[in-house]
Amino acid sequence: DQQVKQNSPSLSVQEGRISILNCDYTNSMFDYFLWYKKYPAEGPTFLISISSIKDKNEDGRFTVFLNKSAKHLSLHIVPSQPGDSAVYFCAASEFGGGADGLTFGKGTHLIIQP
Amino acid sequence: GAGVSQSPSNKVTEKGKDVELRCDPISGHTALYWYRQSLGQGLEFLIYFQGNSAPDKSGLPSDRFSAERTGGSVSTLTIQRTQQEDSAVYLCASSLVSGAYNEQFFGPGTRLTVL
Repeated sequence: DQQVKQNSPSLSVQEGRISILNCDYTNSMFDYFLWYKKYPAEGPTFLISISSIKDKNEDGRFTVFLNKSAKHLSLHIVPSQPGDSAVYFCAASEFGGGADGLTFGKGTHLIIQP
Repeated sequence: GAGVSQSPSNKVTEKGKDVELRCDPISGHTALYWYRQSLGQGLEFLIYFQGNSAPDKSGLPSDRFSAERTGGSVSTLTIQRTQQEDSAVYLCASSLVSGAYNEQFFGPGTRLTVL
């Protein structure tokens, strides 16, 4: 049973517009959420994170929103640039949980069109 | 500085053979993680080390999988008697210390194909 779900396998956005990537989770014990970006043949790289005590975190063009009651988070990229074309993974963790590993979604392939 | 490196980058093996995958973490990072990504799936957490110790091995898919870390640095993931369902990209990550708040830096992965 998938605990982190990214229901859109791909998303196409025009350069300069806003990209919105969505993520849902089922485990109410998750209290820390991250977004990773992955280019082909490379490992994922950390993009931005948010703790469950916040509902928004912003870093330059990237903003993550968290709706705890809906168990939903989203990543906004504005304005979208060609270099943003990549696979984006949503991940979650239970702070202090024993495993310390992250639970990932299947990813969303973002394509920025010129 | 050097990032996380993994070897080999690609491995093709026959069903039933054993394989060993290697991970060199970032120097000074005490925590090391193994994940795998099967086709069309997200990253699946397998095991992590804090120093040379792996507190929880329950994420390993079967008893054919084992991992070790020596000297607080290099780690190897061994798969015995490989099966076709083991085909995946195996990713290693390291962080300064363990804990979700500490950024995990990923290597490029080892693509394993079991024929």
